[in-house]
Amino acid sequence: GAGVSQSPSNKVTEKGKDVELRCDPISGHTALYWYRQSLGQGLEFLIYFQGNSAPDKSGLPSDRFSAERTGGSVSTLTIQRTQQEDSAVYLCASSRSLAGGGETQYFGPGTRLLVL
Amino acid sequence: AQSVSQHNHHVILSEAASLELGCNYSYGGTVNLFWYVQYPGQHLQLLLKYFSGDPLVKGIKGFEAEFIKSKFSFNLRKPSVQWSDTAEYFCAVNSKNTGFQKLVFGTGTRLLVSP
Repeated sequence: GAGVSQSPSNKVTEKGKDVELRCDPISGHTALYWYRQSLGQGLEFLIYFQGNSAPDKSGLPSDRFSAERTGGSVSTLTIQRTQQEDSAVYLCASSRSLAGGGETQYFGPGTRLLVL
Repeated sequence: AQSVSQHNHHVILSEAASLELGCNYSYGGTVNLFWYVQYPGQHLQLLLKYFSGDPLVKGIKGFEAEFIKSKFSFNLRKPSVQWSDTAEYFCAVNSKNTGFQKLVFGTGTRLLVSP
């Protein structure tokens, strides 16, 4: 079946502009995650959605970052007033509902963001 | 702070050599452990995971890992690597302490296998 898809694949923007990144999870997966992979660093957790519960926003680096998930499916990550340090690959993952944490997270191809 | 350490940032091996990539974590309590791989130009994909039972876990493509709770380690092994194993390997952990809600990743190990 189809995997996690993300769009756009690449985004170049100017400092100070807002960007929206989209994620379509695997059908039937109730959990959705956003991560960021910066140059020279590992993957950094940003935010987690599970069904209709309030999201875990503990990883968002600043209030310029926000995310929503509409209808329990598609998610959008928004970065306002982008800064050069926001340049990174933004990865989305989805999984079936957490059951002791052993569920596999399936990752999308990522959106490569470059802030000039 | 809870963390995952991968001590080898770059590893270069010849084909047929044995591989062991180290992974240590700093969590206490119940943990689940994962190894993900990212082949050049491809998505992250799961190699193997441990969440209960036999601490020696076998994954895809001949990889295995052993969970040693007393050492807080989950090292990845393969007896004989192939050129196609060239990739970046990430160790990751989630824990009951954080509600299993997020994976914490190591910084990755780049493996280059020369033919």
